[in-house]
Amino acid sequence: KQEVTQIPAALSVPEGENLVLNCSFTDSAIYNLQWFRQDPGKGLTSLLLIQSSQREQTSGRLNASLDKSSGRSTLYIAASQPGDSATYLCADEDKLVFGAGTILRVKS
Amino acid sequence: DTAVSQTPKYLVTQMGNDKSIKCEQNLGHDTMYWYKQDSKKFLKIMFSYNNKELIINETVPNRFSPKSPDKAHLNLHINSLELGDSAVYFCASSQDASGNSYEQYFGPGTRLTVT
Repeated sequence: KQEVTQIPAALSVPEGENLVLNCSFTDSAIYNLQWFRQDPGKGLTSLLLIQSSQREQTSGRLNASLDKSSGRSTLYIAASQPGDSATYLCADEDKLVFGAGTILRVKS
Repeated sequence: DTAVSQTPKYLVTQMGNDKSIKCEQNLGHDTMYWYKQDSKKFLKIMFSYNNKELIINETVPNRFSPKSPDKAHLNLHINSLELGDSAVYFCASSQDASGNSYEQYFGPGTRLTVT
């Protein structure tokens, strides 16, 4: 049974810092991994989807990588801004298993 | 135009009542989902429908019954509500569970409070 873990559970950084959010999974037979952000009281917004044939995806200041052999995915946020403050979740899209999320706070 | 919409946004009701939550997507997707997010913000899949057919039914009490009148709609009916049903319920959709795109799009959520 797939388990998805996100570390750290919470992170507070000053504005402008580059940061990395981690996502690990127990079943390396993962084909599609998706990163989301969730703002308080809101639904999930898709950030990046890494498909089985890909190792990374980029969108603006965000870069997500997937290493199936080590059971890890990372979300890199460059030059963080206060507007990036949210909860970030990763998910095994095939098995529909989500991590508990990392709460990010970017201080101005 | 809202891609995935849910109604109502908030629902407060008493134990023992029956209630429904509606979900509609205008993305032309084939697959729709219901998730429950508990107070610890943990998101768990409840049901998944592909082209109006149930394909995933996780361990959910049978008081919960999804209904898909067409592939753009997936409603969730809950009988005999209990305190533990209080949570935020999210609807989502994706292109095709067996096709090329698994990218999920979420609705804004329905906050259910059972008193």
